[in-house]
Amino acid sequence: AQKITQTQPGMFVQEKEAVTLDCTYDTSDPSYGLFWYKQPSSGEMIFLIYQGSYDQQNATEGRYSLNFQKARKSANLVISASQLGDSAMYFCAMREADQTGANNLFFGTGTRLTVIP
Amino acid sequence: NAGVMQNPRHLVRRRGQEARLRCSPMKGHSHVYWYRQLPEEGLKFMVYLQKENIIDESGMPKERFSAEFPKEGPSILRIQQVVRGDSAAYFCASSPSGRTQIYGYTFGSGTRLTVV
Repeated sequence: AQKITQTQPGMFVQEKEAVTLDCTYDTSDPSYGLFWYKQPSSGEMIFLIYQGSYDQQNATEGRYSLNFQKARKSANLVISASQLGDSAMYFCAMREADQTGANNLFFGTGTRLTVIP
Repeated sequence: NAGVMQNPRHLVRRRGQEARLRCSPMKGHSHVYWYRQLPEEGLKFMVYLQKENIIDESGMPKERFSAEFPKEGPSILRIQQVVRGDSAAYFCASSPSGRTQIYGYTFGSGTRLTVV
């Protein structure tokens, strides 16, 4: 089974509107972290937001917020007041605190967001 | 306070040549991770190293690929006898510690390898 599933290959949003990018995850580890990264056309991976599995509140970072629904195993990214510079690929990722200490990230296949002027 | 430094940014190799990708972690970070991103895909874990130790290489292809993180100097990902299918972006990440540190995973800008 896929650890991280992003079902939206592409999304369009009008400038200044809000958009939600979906992410579901699969793990049996009670301790894990969820991440969202932005990859613009230049290629670098930019960290956006983090949610820990034990965090009681949804994470927020400026215009980014994470809608964490633990029972549904979903961690959707909400971008408010979209800007043209938000056009990029967005990747959801998960890190499990397993016993081996090999804390690698599992990535989804990404969602390409296009902001329309 | 430099971030994770990868070089070169772009690397072109002919089939059969060797590719050496370098990664200098952030200051104070002793854990390095290498990931590969094939075109139009997400990143896939390759290997996790600490200084002079390979902790997990479960994502590394069995042949032609090797990684090291010496006591001094950057981490090196080496690909011998490159083939067209090795063309990808290779990202390095670093963190200050391993299992107890969920947060704080910083990526470099990547090396884009093109095999011609």
